Amino acid sequence: GNSVTQMEGPVTLSEEAFLTINCTYTATGYPSLFWYVQYPGEGLQLLLKATKADDKGSNKGFEATYRKETTSFHLEKGSVQVSDSAVYFCALSARGQNFVFGPGTRLSVLP
Amino acid sequence: NAGVTQTPKFRVLKTGQSMTLLCAQDMNHEYMYWYRQDPGMGLRLIHYSVGEGTTAKGEVPDGYNVSRLKKQNFLLGLESAAPSQTSVYFCASRLDSTVWGEAFFGQGTRLTVV
Repeated sequence: GNSVTQMEGPVTLSEEAFLTINCTYTATGYPSLFWYVQYPGEGLQLLLKATKADDKGSNKGFEATYRKETTSFHLEKGSVQVSDSAVYFCALSARGQNFVFGPGTRLSVLP
Repeated sequence: NAGVTQTPKFRVLKTGQSMTLLCAQDMNHEYMYWYRQDPGMGLRLIHYSVGEGTTAKGEVPDGYNVSRLKKQNFLLGLESAAPSQTSVYFCASRLDSTVWGEAFFGQGTRLTVV
């Protein structure tokens, strides 16, 4: 079946550091890929998405590129802020299937 | 602009009590989902619905029932609560089954069973 693997963390960074959260997937066909973010005490909200190979999703300084050859969708940000502290979920959506979520990666950014 | 609304936000139950969690969406979405989130376990799908009057089991359905009598509402019931059901519950909705469509989440319900 379809699956998503991501680094579980926690990840602790200093403000203005570079962030990478790895995500790899297994799926048949041509899934869409998503990153969701969950701030403390809140529900998940979409951060960015990509619907086909080589697409780059971006939002709020975060980027991720859909790499079919490596089945990856790594999340990056050049300079993190304290306000980016949250849990990040990688997810995929494939035809006829429900969403599949990774286990989440907790990010803490220290001032 | 309400989106997905869950009630209640917090609840404490005694073992054996019953309760219903309500999820309402105002986006005319066909698909609705109930997840539970536990530390270290990520999100696990309990039940889902692909349209009014339909329901289906997810990966952890035991101990829960659901109903979708109206398109905008998706109810999650616990008939006899157990401490293992202590969790944070999230409802989500999605327009349809298109691969690129995002899911919208509610704020969550934190349930404690003592």
